[in-house]
Amino acid sequence: DTGVSQNPRHKITKRGQNVTFRCDPISEHNRLYWYRQTLGQGPEFLTYFQNEAQLEKSRLLSDRFSAERPKGSFSTLEIQRTEQGDSAMYLCASSRATGLDTQYFGPGTRLTVL
Amino acid sequence: AQSVAQPEDQVNVAEGNPLTVKCTYSVSGNPYLFWYVQYPNRGLQFLLKYITGDNLVKGSYGFEAEFNKSQTSFHLKKPSALVSDSALYFCAVRDGDTGRRALTFGSGTRLQVQP
Repeated sequence: DTGVSQNPRHKITKRGQNVTFRCDPISEHNRLYWYRQTLGQGPEFLTYFQNEAQLEKSRLLSDRFSAERPKGSFSTLEIQRTEQGDSAMYLCASSRATGLDTQYFGPGTRLTVL
Repeated sequence: AQSVAQPEDQVNVAEGNPLTVKCTYSVSGNPYLFWYVQYPNRGLQFLLKYITGDNLVKGSYGFEAEFNKSQTSFHLKKPSALVSDSALYFCAVRDGDTGRRALTFGSGTRLQVQP
């Protein structure tokens, strides 16, 4: 396994700008997840894909957030009109499509909104 | 709804001593329980999980966890702590009786192992 990779690792942006993050899952993993982690807290679930289908979305995923996985491989998470409250670590995870799947996490993208 | 509580923000232990990091959970159906560790500026690394079967689960780096259904707990343990075990530990749960895949995490416990 080459592991889950995320790009960029760090992103600094100004309030109101749009940002996009990319996640490449472990190659044989069908499921892909996005979480957000703020300082001093555990990760919070945002959304999950099985192949290209987005099957779960959290209420945290406001209409400014959109995630895609067009070919069932890599995924992108876009935040439009960023706000200072969006500053967080955005974590991606992937797993096999089995009932007892374990989610393996990437290193995260740290977003700072000025 | 599902939730996880990690009652201790920080646990301090001397190197060589046993360690315990506490976790209690709440879930409607069958609990699937996980422990992850996070080192500074890095993602979460999977340590171990409980799905069914033996209540004592063994995982990576000498860690183990004990599932207790009556106390709704899943405490992480290690017989002899190393300085390199110092990190942030997260317990997580999901309901195994639903098709939902979202993990719910606790707020984390910082483990500090002193030489």
